[in-house]
Amino acid sequence: AQSVAQPEDQVNVAEGNPLTVKCTYSVSGNPYLFWYVQYPNRGLQFLLKYITGDNLVKGSYGFEAEFNKSQTSFHLKKPSALVSDSALYFCAVTWRNQKVTFGTGTKLQVIP
Amino acid sequence: EAGVAQSPRYKIIEKRQSVAFWCNPISGHATLYWYQQILGQGPKLLIQFQNNGVVDDSQLPKDRFSAERLKGVDSTLKIQPAKLEDSAVYLCASSLDRGLRNEQFFGPGTRLTVL
Repeated sequence: AQSVAQPEDQVNVAEGNPLTVKCTYSVSGNPYLFWYVQYPNRGLQFLLKYITGDNLVKGSYGFEAEFNKSQTSFHLKKPSALVSDSALYFCAVTWRNQKVTFGTGTKLQVIP
Repeated sequence: EAGVAQSPRYKIIEKRQSVAFWCNPISGHATLYWYQQILGQGPKLLIQFQNNGVVDDSQLPKDRFSAERLKGVDSTLKIQPAKLEDSAVYLCASSLDRGLRNEQFFGPGTRLTVL
């Protein structure tokens, strides 16, 4: 069975500092990995995905993520955090014919 | 491009009552998903449609939940009768097709409170 873990319920970072939101996964084969963001009272928005190819994936709003097969991780990163980045972030994984499995989410708080 | 539309945005009902949610996906998107998101958890897939056929409903509590997508466009999710543990946000999403590489586009959700 596939699974995804987001080990931190909340991440606090000062505005202008780099941010990292962690995600690890478990699948039997090659995964498809996604990051979504959820702002208050809104649905999830797609940020970026890894399907194949370059391990460093760039997405919306200056976010990027690095696929690390040996560590089974797909951490979300941004070089300089903005207050407007404060939101709930979800990592998701799927492979083969399996349904998408979402993590429990990490709340990012960017402090002015 | 118009996004995924859902209504109502909020609903409060008593336990044992029935409720229905409506979703209109992005035009041209063949695949439609209904998720249940309980506070503090990630979305859980309830049912997935490809056009008007069901692809996956393995996590749908079929004794009380039902869903349909009759014309392969908009969809309705119904709960009858509702239980307290059904309190959650119900998210509708769509994607171009059922390919796993495709990202999903989500609506704003319907927040259900069962008293």
